[in-house]
Amino acid sequence: EAGVAQSPRYKIIEKRQSVAFWCNPISGHATLYWYQQILGQGPKLLIQFQNNGVVDDSQLPKDRFSAERLKGVDSTLKIQPAKLEDSAVYLCASSPGWFGTNEKLFFGSGTQLSVL
Amino acid sequence: AQKVTQAQTEISVVEKEDVTLDCVYETRDTTYYLFWYKQPPSGELVFLIRRNSFDEQNEISGRYSWNFQKSTSSFNFTITASQVVDSAVYFCALSEVNTPLVFGKGTRLSVIA
Repeated sequence: EAGVAQSPRYKIIEKRQSVAFWCNPISGHATLYWYQQILGQGPKLLIQFQNNGVVDDSQLPKDRFSAERLKGVDSTLKIQPAKLEDSAVYLCASSPGWFGTNEKLFFGSGTQLSVL
Repeated sequence: AQKVTQAQTEISVVEKEDVTLDCVYETRDTTYYLFWYKQPPSGELVFLIRRNSFDEQNEISGRYSWNFQKSTSSFNFTITASQVVDSAVYFCALSEVNTPLVFGKGTRLSVIA
């Protein structure tokens, strides 16, 4: 079974530029998550999708971050414009169930973003 | 609000030693779920265990064991006879019903040959 795929693996940009990350979850998984992991900290949820609808985006900085999950499969996370404090690893995860917050999550390897 | 504390930032052990990673949690709910994930250098978090608040039975899986104690709000993780491949960052996490998973800050374990 293929795991959660993310790209790119690394990205370096200058502040005020824009950047996009892509995630392909495990086939058939209804719920998709984007997490931000700052160095030395645990992952923090940015947004949760159930199929193509948003379940929770309360911690997403909506003035600069946006995300979509077209057709309930792939997802993209965009930052525009980027700030220095956005430097982090962006992890995508998926889970099969409808109320996935209480079940096992499958994570991708993440995209490491450096904002200079 | 839910909170997870992993007081040990980094631990170093020599191969074959036993090591315990501590996790203390806070929640107001009676129904909740506790998790441990492993993050090797590759970056991908790997699920290790999920426990619900009504199941306090300790669990053993090979060299791994977990001790869940509601009285002290702790969910500790022990690796017996550690190996170099156990080197990773380990995260404890908590979720209340239908709320986002909240992670601790993680404990970096280094197992030296």
